[in-house]
Amino acid sequence: DAGVIQSPRHEVTEMGQEVTLRCKPISGHDYLFWYRQTMMRGLELLIYFNNNVPIDDSGMPEDRFSAKMPNASFSTLKIQPSEPRDSAVYFCASRNWDAEYNEQFFGPGTRLTVL
Amino acid sequence: SQKIEQNSEALNIQEGKTATLTCNYTNYSPAYLQWYRQDPGRGPVFLLLIRENEKEKRKERLKVTFDTTLKQSLFHITASQPADSATYLCALKGAAGNKLTFGGGTRVLVKP
Repeated sequence: DAGVIQSPRHEVTEMGQEVTLRCKPISGHDYLFWYRQTMMRGLELLIYFNNNVPIDDSGMPEDRFSAKMPNASFSTLKIQPSEPRDSAVYFCASRNWDAEYNEQFFGPGTRLTVL
Repeated sequence: SQKIEQNSEALNIQEGKTATLTCNYTNYSPAYLQWYRQDPGRGPVFLLLIRENEKEKRKERLKVTFDTTLKQSLFHITASQPADSATYLCALKGAAGNKLTFGGGTRVLVKP
């Protein structure tokens, strides 16, 4: 398996623009997590899905952020409008519900810079 | 409020020595605790899991302890090697749901 795939790997945009981050989880995994990592705040959970259904979105910073999972192999995180404080590395991770160690498999991340 | 704290200062250690990292938490009743390794420019990679009713787990040169009374986990890298240089993150899962909360991570630098 190729692992969790994220695109783009780097995104530079201007304040006010819409940004869409994409994630393809590992095939067969039924949990998908979106995280944001910054130096100041570390790795924070934004939202997670189980079987394509959003379960906990309490970490989504505000209404500018939205996430969807239209099917088991694809998820998007959208920021509209983007602001400089959204600059961070965004990770997607997936997990199998019956994994022995409940380990999450992380993608390589998308480094977002909002100017 | 819930907090997970790891030593934010980098740990510099000589090759062959044991590195010991600390993860302290407050206002949590974790079902389990995990340790991840993160290299620069990459996503975290799972290393070990220890459950609330377990005291110690080992995997090769890694050892994790879990003291729910002290609300602390210790992570040991024995016979450390320069390839062990990375940031190590602890993460807790509460009794309900599937949310993982991560500590800030501790950077380890093993010098030859």
